[in-house]
Amino acid sequence: QKEVEQDPGPLSVPEGAIVSLNCTYSNSAFQYFMWYRQYSRKGPELLMYTYSSGNKEDGRFTAQVDKSSKYISLFIRDSQPSDSATYLCAMKSNSGYALNFGKGTSLLVTP
Amino acid sequence: NAGVMQNPRHLVRRRGQEARLRCSPMKGHSHVYWYRQLPEEGLKFMVYLQKENIIDESGMPKERFSAEFPKEGPSILRIQQVVRGDSAAYFCASSPASTGGTGELFFGEGSRLTVL
Repeated sequence: QKEVEQDPGPLSVPEGAIVSLNCTYSNSAFQYFMWYRQYSRKGPELLMYTYSSGNKEDGRFTAQVDKSSKYISLFIRDSQPSDSATYLCAMKSNSGYALNFGKGTSLLVTP
Repeated sequence: NAGVMQNPRHLVRRRGQEARLRCSPMKGHSHVYWYRQLPEEGLKFMVYLQKENIIDESGMPKERFSAEFPKEGPSILRIQQVVRGDSAAYFCASSPASTGGTGELFFGEGSRLTVL
């Protein structure tokens, strides 16, 4: 079992839809949870960062962490064509320095 | 541009040659990380360096791969005697010392290595 599982999609939604992206993980030691956005042929860009459990909101983006279920989510409200990208979840424990990434979910928002 | 700078953006090598990838971190950042993204795979951690020190190289292949971050100049990821399986996008990321352990990284645009 991979440490971080993420459905690769692709996920296609109409403009204005609410998008839900998810990852599951197996390592209970993970404490830091991140969502990165990666446009085609570009580097990942940090979108959301959460420590431990709970919710965090930033504009149209909401990140949720449920450590009891080992499940994290990213919600995008009022999705825009410019949100079309690959979304990578990432997480790490208190020890070590490596981020553990999911494979990424490809999102397409159509006008 | 104060972002993470990587070069070259694209590199083509024949099997057996050497590849050198360079990374200049964001201004004020003292921590550098290298990640590799193979086709259809997620980003995989390779190495974490601070100036003149390798802190964690647990993700580096045991042979042919090395990394350095000298006192002056960019960080270098060196791949000797490249093989086709080394074809990938190599991403450098940096962070300030204050967030080095949290995973809040700033990535460059990557160097895409193609081995013929």
